[in-house]
Amino acid sequence: DGGITQSPKYLFRKEGQNVTLSCEQNLNHDAMYWYRQDPGQGLRLIYYSQIVNDFQKGDIAEGYSVSREKKESFPLTVTSAQKNPTAFYLCASRSDWGEAFFGQGTRLTVV
Amino acid sequence: GQQVMQIPQYQHVQEGEDFTTYCNSSTTLSNIQWYKQRPGGHPVFLIQLVKSGEVKKQKRLTFQFGEAKKNSSLHITATQTTDVGTYFCAGDETSGSRLTFGEGTQLTVNP
Repeated sequence: DGGITQSPKYLFRKEGQNVTLSCEQNLNHDAMYWYRQDPGQGLRLIYYSQIVNDFQKGDIAEGYSVSREKKESFPLTVTSAQKNPTAFYLCASRSDWGEAFFGQGTRLTVV
Repeated sequence: GQQVMQIPQYQHVQEGEDFTTYCNSSTTLSNIQWYKQRPGGHPVFLIQLVKSGEVKKQKRLTFQFGEAKKNSSLHITATQTTDVGTYFCAGDETSGSRLTFGEGTQLTVNP
């Protein structure tokens, strides 16, 4: 099946620890995105990448880092510098025509 | 930076009533997209509009893109319980660049 896969679905992190969220796509899309969603709120852009080995900060990049070494993969690291990391994280890839395809999301909880 | 605003934040309707959500951008958009997120799910693409004044229909759903390409609306005729979810608009300033989402309108439908 073609699609976008995020793992894990649920993640628990202790305060002060870095954690990496996985995002893989087999849709052959150049553009990939990371969004954060808090309860009852919209999607806020963390980072996006339009091509391999290149990425740009979104609106809330502080405390996060990404890499884009392969077209298929766009992992997001939530660092200890992120003050309030508990949220639902959504990864998306985007077709050349414009449609964004989302993964199932990772729900991160800081304990 | 670009901001995309949506109103209302919440809408409760009786089954069979109509529903409209409005989207306004602080800047001119190259396109506007609409997504639906069911409770506990991830956003799913509904449609993309690219032309000034464009109107598209999908069964009971009607989408409009404003003449100035800064606002859009989604209208649902005769809502059904299957319409429950959060509807998001999203747009690019430049085609294929960062995709900025509105805050969403959460629709509940009472049977």
